Amino acid sequence: AQSVSQHNHHVILSEAASLELGCNYSYGGTVNLFWYVQYPGQHLQLLLKYFSGDPLVKGIKGFEAEFIKSKFSLNLRKPSVQWSDTAEYFCAVNAPGNNDMRFGAGTRLTVKP
Amino acid sequence: DTEVTQTPKHLVMGMTNKKSLKCEQHMGHRAMYWYKQKAKKPPELMFVYSYEKLSINESVPSRFSPECPNSSLLNLHLHALQPEDSALYLCASSKVAGGSYVSSYNEQFFGPGTRLTVL
Repeated sequence: AQSVSQHNHHVILSEAASLELGCNYSYGGTVNLFWYVQYPGQHLQLLLKYFSGDPLVKGIKGFEAEFIKSKFSLNLRKPSVQWSDTAEYFCAVNAPGNNDMRFGAGTRLTVKP
Repeated sequence: DTEVTQTPKHLVMGMTNKKSLKCEQHMGHRAMYWYKQKAKKPPELMFVYSYEKLSINESVPSRFSPECPNSSLLNLHLHALQPEDSALYLCASSKVAGGSYVSSYNEQFFGPGTRLTVL
């Protein structure tokens, strides 16, 4: 079965700093990878997804990610964070043809104004 | 309409009560999901319905009973819950992976959740 790990549990940044959150997956075949964000008191929203093709993925709200197959990773990036980016970020994986999605433990991002 | 709705938003129940959580979507999705999310933890998959049939049950205790009466609705019936069952219960929907509507990436759309407290 597929699994995903996020190594950063809590990241604290100042506004305008650059962000990179790590996500590594474990699965023997092709995977679909997702980054979701959960703002305080709100529901999960999809930031971006990767299935195949261009390893550089653009998401919403200025987020992007790079898929590195050799490292089994899809790291989330943002060049300049804002206070409003304070949230919990979850990486998730499922296999094509499989409805079973697994989430990483999440990374809590705190952006100081 | 890309919205998944859930009712109620909050629910407080005793250990002897019977209650139900409801979820609805009108995106034509034929896969629907229940997740449980404890504070500061990731969502944990509980059940998956595909074409209104239960396809995945992640060894969830029988005090949780899912039901999918039609392609737009998903219920979670609760009975004799324990205080440790207190959590945010999330519903999600997606196209069916590998089904008639084959989707390369079956992105899941989440509802806002029901905050459940068991006293």
